[in-house]
Amino acid sequence: RKEVEQDPGPFNVPEGATVAFNCTYSNSASQSFFWYRQDCRKEPKLLMSVYSSGNEDGRFTAQLNRASQYISLLIRDSKLSDSATYLCVVNLISGNTPLVFGKGTRLSVIA
Amino acid sequence: DVKVTQSSRYLVKRTGEKVFLECVQDMDHENMFWYRQDPGLGLRLIYFSYDVKMKEKGDIPEGYSVSREKKERFSLILESASTNQTSMYLCASSLRGGVAKNIQYFGAGTRLSVL
Repeated sequence: RKEVEQDPGPFNVPEGATVAFNCTYSNSASQSFFWYRQDCRKEPKLLMSVYSSGNEDGRFTAQLNRASQYISLLIRDSKLSDSATYLCVVNLISGNTPLVFGKGTRLSVIA
Repeated sequence: DVKVTQSSRYLVKRTGEKVFLECVQDMDHENMFWYRQDPGLGLRLIYFSYDVKMKEKGDIPEGYSVSREKKERFSLILESASTNQTSMYLCASSLRGGVAKNIQYFGAGTRLSVL
């Protein structure tokens, strides 16, 4: 079983739509969770950390469900500039262990 | 702002050549990482380092080695480049310790073609 699994997409949505991505992780001892964004032919950049209580940053909402071992990202009122690949990222153990990246979900927002 | 700089954006090398990819970060981060990224395979960890002169194998270390002589610099070495090492190579760094500190910051990447 893969450590971090995401639906690869692509998700093609019109501007203004709400879109949700889910991600599951296999290790229940995972400590920290993030969503990264990667534009075409660019490096991944941190979009937001995911906290147990859920957190919101403008149009973006991240949720963590430890019991079911999944993380979600909700994007409201999609913009053309949201088109990118969204990477789900998990740290299995706190401290110095490397992050584990999902393969990403591709989003295309269409005018 | 954290800055992670990779020495080349594009490289073209021949099979059998020794290739050096350099990465420098300016935020005094203890941890540094090298990944490769290929379509459909996502990011795969090659090597990482928690301190000067320390290195740990990642998921796909075969055919690669690394060097960390200074805290700010982490080099990836392809001893004898092969065509299956054609890929995008990404360097990253992070602070040591603590859940909130292991956010990784990436360089812009080096697109290596081995002919």
